[in-house]
Amino acid sequence: SQWGEENLQALSIQEGEDVTMNCSYKTYTTVVQWYRQKSGKGPAQLILIRSNEREKRSGRLRATLDTSSQSSSLSITGTLATDTAVYFCATGYNNAGAKLTFGGGTRLTVRP
Amino acid sequence: NAGVIQTPRHKVTGKGQEATLWCEPISGHSAVFWYRQTIVQGLEFLTYFRNQAPIDDSGMPKERFSAQMPNQSHSTLKIQSTQPQDSAVYLCASSSTGSSAETLYFGSGTRLTVL
Repeated sequence: SQWGEENLQALSIQEGEDVTMNCSYKTYTTVVQWYRQKSGKGPAQLILIRSNEREKRSGRLRATLDTSSQSSSLSITGTLATDTAVYFCATGYNNAGAKLTFGGGTRLTVRP
Repeated sequence: NAGVIQTPRHKVTGKGQEATLWCEPISGHSAVFWYRQTIVQGLEFLTYFRNQAPIDDSGMPKERFSAQMPNQSHSTLKIQSTQPQDSAVYLCASSSTGSSAETLYFGSGTRLTVL
């Protein structure tokens, strides 16, 4: 799992497997965003889940949010080699304006 | 839509030299953000602007770093007297109105190497 102060985590799986990545955060958050960063590119948003939502789905992606435990997860079903990337969670809260705080990230390698 | 454009993609400076990094946000976006990415520290927030006004510079090192947004179509991050520890990928992002509930659209970054 990742949170603001953890170093980059790493996972290696076989194509076709499902994977879940976890994120913990320290402060009250109004929104959790998940981003994916491929080599040489900037992060790109995958999914946004608000504090009043427990689950959000988008295609093969599913994000959950548990505000009581201050944690979120991102699941990918039927992984593809093209899912190989670093995945970040990012949290924001009203008192911080538009600033997002990113977790340490999970480096996912999907072997073909 | 070309997305957020950052130039140059790579910059190499000698210790003590100045570096200026450029960012062109997505047209129509009113908020621009700067982040720094290193292996050790990860993605660190530096500063952001909304409607060209500086809103939050809490992540900016107090000395040597400055950011400006002279018009709605570009922002610059300037590092004076660069040091080896400034070596990083500097990422610019923009969003529609500047809310934590909005998508940040990132550029591909500028990799700064200080020798």
